[in-house]
Amino acid sequence: ILNVEQSPQSLHVQEGDSTNFTCSFPSSNFYALHWYRWETAKSPEALFVMTLNGDEKKKGRISATLNTKEGYSYLYIKGSQPEDSATYLCAPRAGSNYKLTFGKGTLLTVNP
Amino acid sequence: SQTIHQWPATLVQPVGSPLSLECTVEGTSNPNLYWYRQAAGRGLQLLFYSVGIGQISSEVPQNLSASRPQDRQFILSSKKLLLSDSGFYLCAWSGGAVQPQHFGDGTRLSIL
Repeated sequence: ILNVEQSPQSLHVQEGDSTNFTCSFPSSNFYALHWYRWETAKSPEALFVMTLNGDEKKKGRISATLNTKEGYSYLYIKGSQPEDSATYLCAPRAGSNYKLTFGKGTLLTVNP
Repeated sequence: SQTIHQWPATLVQPVGSPLSLECTVEGTSNPNLYWYRQAAGRGLQLLFYSVGIGQISSEVPQNLSASRPQDRQFILSSKKLLLSDSGFYLCAWSGGAVQPQHFGDGTRLSIL
């Protein structure tokens, strides 16, 4: 079982603030890292799948970076909006099986 | 386009009763299929995954079982539910090794 840690556990920001949070995972046998957004009363929605060290992906105001050598990924949100309020989950995959191990997530609340 | 259907949305069952949750995927063939559970205060935990008809991998020893009788149908079952089986159950599918997972709307299971 992979040890996946996400920090902070929760975060409150004001509308317009930029913010970031961290996902830490074992660097050995790394295969891929997934990020998901989970809004209340909805199902998790895929944001990014990252595989290469140094990879950076962007989707609108959200971007993510990956460091596979040291085992961490950052998720950035620029100019947070109330609709960004959700739990952000990371899930690394080790080896060639299909199993993802989810962190407990970072709960983001954006106040208008 | 691909869609995933999961039912029922909510279920209240007495301890010791059987369980059957169903998940179907449309618009794709030979998907990888997954069952997750989120217990109160915990992260998403992978219960079972399947890479093909009749192929089930179990991740956590428990009184639950899964079956895949058809390519796009995944069923989660129990013969006798325990109080500890309460939680939010999510079905998901993915299309390949580094493809994101797509989740159903989930089933809220309460055991009395």
